[in-house]
Amino acid sequence: KAGVTQTPRYLIKTRGQQVTLSCSPISGHRSVSWYQQTPGQGLQFLFEYFSETQRNKGNFPGRFSGRQFSNSRSEMNVSTLELGDSALYLCASSPTSGGATYTGELFFGEGSRLTVL
Amino acid sequence: TQLLEQSPQFLSIQEGENLTVYCNSSSVFSSLQWYRQEPGEGPVLLVTVVTGGEVKKLKRLTFQFGDARKDSSLHITAAQPGDTGLYLCAGRPMNSGYSTLTFGKGTMLLVSP
Repeated sequence: KAGVTQTPRYLIKTRGQQVTLSCSPISGHRSVSWYQQTPGQGLQFLFEYFSETQRNKGNFPGRFSGRQFSNSRSEMNVSTLELGDSALYLCASSPTSGGATYTGELFFGEGSRLTVL
Repeated sequence: TQLLEQSPQFLSIQEGENLTVYCNSSSVFSSLQWYRQEPGEGPVLLVTVVTGGEVKKLKRLTFQFGDARKDSSLHITAAQPGDTGLYLCAGRPMNSGYSTLTFGKGTMLLVSP
């Protein structure tokens, strides 16, 4: 079956602009998580959605937001872009919500690489 | 403060050598996972260890979960260029409800022919 699809793969923005990234999970997966990956900080959790509800949010400013649609597709938005927002944004899906006892796999997309100039 | 500390951060070796990478924490985890990420791709799960002291083998890769469930190691025997990539450990601290999967910063492995 098709994997996690993220669009766009690459994008360049300037400071102050906003950006929307899209993620289509594996068919049947209802949980979508977003991570920011940078060389200095590694993968940092942004948020998790399950059945259109945000279940968890990481320690990021309010400029970072997301949502999930009824078909489990998810979008994240970053407003008022800063240079430090340049990163690879990874989306991951799983069949169930990632609770503390969940030991299943997260299936990652290839990411959206954002460059802020 | 990083919940999961990985070492070394970078490792460059020759084909055929053995290596071990470590994942340490002061927190107890219900399980730990190891992922490998190749350039331009997302991380892919290699293994999940669940029981303290557990050892799992995947061909030339051996994974161990510490008895106290606070650390894990990945040992690669006779490394090959195809093993090149970023190795990430990840876990959820115990008793944290709907906690998120937390990642270490990773160990970048380069295996030269």
